[in-house]
Amino acid sequence: AQSVTQPDIHITVSEGASLELRCNYSYGATPYLFWYVQSPGQGLQLLLKYFSGDTLVQGIKGFEAEFKRSQSSFNLRKPSVHWSDAAEYFCAVGAATNAGKSTFGDGTTLTVKP
Amino acid sequence: GAGVSQSPSNKVTEKGKDVELRCDPISGHTALYWYRQSLGQGLEFLIYFQGNSAPDKSGLPSDRFSAERTGGSVSTLTIQRTQQEDSAVYLCASSLSRGSTDTQYFGPGTRLTVL
Repeated sequence: AQSVTQPDIHITVSEGASLELRCNYSYGATPYLFWYVQSPGQGLQLLLKYFSGDTLVQGIKGFEAEFKRSQSSFNLRKPSVHWSDAAEYFCAVGAATNAGKSTFGDGTTLTVKP
Repeated sequence: GAGVSQSPSNKVTEKGKDVELRCDPISGHTALYWYRQSLGQGLEFLIYFQGNSAPDKSGLPSDRFSAERTGGSVSTLTIQRTQQEDSAVYLCASSLSRGSTDTQYFGPGTRLTVL
């Protein structure tokens, strides 16, 4: 069975500072990995996804994530955080055989200090 | 174009009552997914549709939960004899096809509160 762990429930960073949100997954084969953002009152929006190829994936809003098979990780990064990035972030894992059925982590809430 | 829409946005009901939650997917999207998000939790997969059929109902928590999709478009999630533990945000998503690489587009959700 596949699973996702987001070790940090809540992270606070200052505006302009760099950000890294951690995600660890468990899956027997090559996973499909996703990061979503959920702003207050909004639906989830896909930031980026990894299926194969280059392990460094670029997404929207200046986010990137790196797939590290040896560490079973897919951490999300942003070099300089903006106040509008305050939201909840979800990592998810899927697989080719699961027809889009993804397993989500419990989320990390990001607070941005002015 | 229009995104995924869900109605109602909020629903408060009494324990034991039945509720229906509606999802309008993006036009042309053949795959549709229902998830549940409890307070402080990630998303829990409930069911997905390819067209009008539901190949995977494995996530439905109990036989009080059912879902249907008609005309390859609108879907309704029905919860019978609601319980307090059913309180959550119910999210719907759609994608162009059921491929695992297809991007799922999420609606804003329906917040269900069972008193």
